[in-house]
Amino acid sequence: AQSVTQLGSHVSVSEGALVLLRCNYSSSVPPYLFWYVQYPNQGLQLLLKYTTGATLVKGINGFEAEFKKSETSFHLTKPSAHMSDAAEYFCAVSPLNNDMRFGAGTRLTVKP
Amino acid sequence: EAGVAQSPRYKIIEKRQSVAFWCNPISGHATLYWYQQILGQGPKLLIQFQNNGVVDDSQLPKDRFSAERLKGVDSTLKIQPAKLEDSAVYLCASSYGQGAEAFFGQGTRLTVV
Repeated sequence: AQSVTQLGSHVSVSEGALVLLRCNYSSSVPPYLFWYVQYPNQGLQLLLKYTTGATLVKGINGFEAEFKKSETSFHLTKPSAHMSDAAEYFCAVSPLNNDMRFGAGTRLTVKP
Repeated sequence: EAGVAQSPRYKIIEKRQSVAFWCNPISGHATLYWYQQILGQGPKLLIQFQNNGVVDDSQLPKDRFSAERLKGVDSTLKIQPAKLEDSAVYLCASSYGQGAEAFFGQGTRLTVV
């Protein structure tokens, strides 16, 4: 079965600093990969996704992620953190049967 | 485009009672998911429908949970009888299909006391 591991349940950065949220997946074949964000008391919103093609994917709010097959990773980055980026971030994997499984999440805190 | 609608938003019940949640997916979305999100954890897939057929229900506690998607549109998730550990947010999502973005509803927050 597909699984997703998010390293670090809580990440804290200063405003303007680089954001790096880590995600590794287990799969015998490259799956579809997603990053979702969840703001307090709100539903999940898609940040970006990788299906095929270019391995560097750009999403909303300045976020991007790079699919590295050799490392089975799909880490999320943003060059400069903003206070409004504080939220819970979830990596998800969807294999060929369209089942979508989520990681445990990483809570991002942005310090002024 | 209307989003995924869920009701109710909040529900408080006593243990051993039953409860039902309703979901109306985005029009045209063939795939519908129900997830359970316990506080501090990622969403856990309970069941996935493709139209009105079940694709995956391997993590659904079938002794107490049931779900249906009649006519391949709306779906209901039922818990009977509820346990304290069922306290969670129940999320419904829908998508066009393989590799497509899943759109989530606001969820139903269930508290079992």
